[in-house]
Amino acid sequence: EAGVTQSPTHLIKTRGQQVTLRCSPISGHTSVYWYQQALGLGLQFLLWYDEGEERNRGNFPPRFSGRQFPNYSSELNVNALELEDSALYLCASSQTGVRYYEQYFGPGTRLTVT
Amino acid sequence: EDQVTQSPEALRLQEGESSSLNCSYTVSGLRGLFWYRQDPGKGPEFLFTLYSAGEEKEKERLKATLTKKESFLHITAPKPEDSATYLCALRGFGNEKLTFGTGTRLTIIP
Repeated sequence: EAGVTQSPTHLIKTRGQQVTLRCSPISGHTSVYWYQQALGLGLQFLLWYDEGEERNRGNFPPRFSGRQFPNYSSELNVNALELEDSALYLCASSQTGVRYYEQYFGPGTRLTVT
Repeated sequence: EDQVTQSPEALRLQEGESSSLNCSYTVSGLRGLFWYRQDPGKGPEFLFTLYSAGEEKEKERLKATLTKKESFLHITAPKPEDSATYLCALRGFGNEKLTFGTGTRLTIIP
């Protein structure tokens, strides 16, 4: 069974630019989560999508946004990039329902902002 | 607010030297406590879920235990390939996100 996939693997962008990251969940999973892992910091929750709707977001500014498509894949968009946005961006997926709490992570996208 | 604190930050062990990693937490209602393993530059790999105090789970050289305030990840006779950062996370009632600790960086010396 294929795991969570993310693209691209690495990105280098200039401050002020915009970036789009992509995630495909495990087959059968309908929830997608985005996390940011900056150097030296723990994973910080960004966004949760389920059944095409944004269900919750973490303490990040509105320039972090995204969407979920009918096939449950997801995009994370970051506008007006700042140097502190440099981080590993991780996508996770899970099934939905009271019995399904585990989140399975993809390999991440390393974003460097210069 | 849910909180997770992991200790120690880093741990170096000789191959075969058993030890434990600690995860202390505060949450209003626990839906699940999770352990992940993360290798440098990669995404976290799911290891265990624990749901209630007294529960234990085992996988190869790893055993996870849970109390009402802490979880421990015991590693028995570790090998160099067990070197990684081990992350603890929890999910509280009414909260779909995972709250992560900052991890314990484990190094096993041959």
